[in-house]
Formats: sequence, C-alpha cells, structure tokens
Amino acid sequence: EVKLVESGGGLVQPGRSLRLSCIASGFKFDDYAMHWVRQRPGRGLEWVSGINWNGGNVDYAESVKGRFTISRDNAENSLSLEMNSLRADDTALYFCAKDMSFGARTNVFDVWGQGTRVSVSS
Amino acid sequence: EVVLTQSPGTLSLSPGERATLSCRASRSVSSIYFAWYVQKPGQAPRLLIYGASGRATGIPDRFSGSGSGTDFTLTISRLEPEDVAVYYCQQYEASPPTFGQGTKLEIK
Repeated sequence: EVKLVESGGGLVQPGRSLRLSCIASGFKFDDYAMHWVRQRPGRGLEWVSGINWNGGNVDYAESVKGRFTISRDNAENSLSLEMNSLRADDTALYFCAKDMSFGARTNVFDVWGQGTRVSVSS
Repeated sequence: EVVLTQSPGTLSLSPGERATLSCRASRSVSSIYFAWYVQKPGQAPRLLIYGASGRATGIPDRFSGSGSGTDFTLTISRLEPEDVAVYYCQQYEASPPTFGQGTKLEIK
C-alpha cells in the first residue's frame, strides 16, 4: 500500500520554527518528486514547496520563500519541511504529496498523506 | 500566477442527476496541464482527473473532464450519495501550481 505519514505539527508562537516530516512507504521513494501542500482553516489548497527526486531542484511559493526549506533523505524515505519565522497566516493543515510522474516534477499530486496541523499563535 | 475561479460555489443535486462543475483560468492553460481533485469531509484530497481528461487510478467512469484554453469542466454523471465533497481544479503548466477555491457538492 502506498502511504504517506506526516508528523511534527503543533502550536507555535509567531517568529518561532517548526520542522515537519513525512515518511513514505509502498513505492520507490527516490523515483518521484515530492511536495508540501497546505490548507488554511476553511479555505482551499495552496501548494507550498516541491523537490525533485534527488533534492537538486527545489521550488517554493512566494509566500514562504526565504522562510521555509524543503529537503529529503532518500535512504530514509523521508521528506521534511523546515519552517522558520512562522506567521499567523501559516496556520494550516500541511499535506505531504507525491508527484504523479516517474522521474520528473510535474506538480500533479497522486498520493496524499492525512496532514499535520500547524497553529501559529501567541 | 494563474488564478483559477470555480463555479458554482455550491451545487445541490439529487442522486442520479448529472453535475457540471466549471473552472475558469485567468490565462490560457494547455489542457495537458490541468487536473481535478476531490476532498471528502475529513479526508485528504484525492486526484480525480489529470491532463484535463485522464482518470486517475480507481476513479469510476462516471467522472469525466474536458476543456481547453481558459475553460474546463468536470462532469459527474449519475450522482451518488458518496459524491458529497469539495472539488478543486488545478493547473500545473505555470509555476506555482495553483488551485481553484473549490465547489462544494451537496446531495439532496
């Protein structure tokens, strides 16, 4: 079974940091690009960041550029999102998502985790 | 970025009816870079359609996608009670990939 399990969410004060993790199973992790997509309370979906299969190419939404860092450890089948200088509008459910295309980053998400919730508040 | 506007915001139909959900892009998008997702209450989103009309794995043929340029449509024939969800369109031609705000489908 193809599965993604996120962890690391929680309540954090504005300006602080948090690191999200995603563990993948059921597929060859290093064959696929991976992404983080978030959903703010009561709102739609927002792509946050993507990383290609070997971590050599990363991309970010303008809203998080310079504050968030995506990385992956293919030996551990894991994806991470380091979030610094957190703001109230970063409050959201953060999903880890697998890119659909073998060997390329096409930004279509065919497998999603259940999400980890991040709340930024004083 | 490419802004996607979905209509209607909410759609209320009866079982067995046909649902037509629309998505309009702020600029032309190649149909091979257009997708639809479904998010049922309390669940993560799930890929429905990619390349404007290709069904993802396990998606029944009641779901179909069409469109080109700036106008795309998701059609659900023969609605079932389990189709209650929010449906999102997405373009992945331009970076960043963007989603519409969603259409909520209610079953009477």
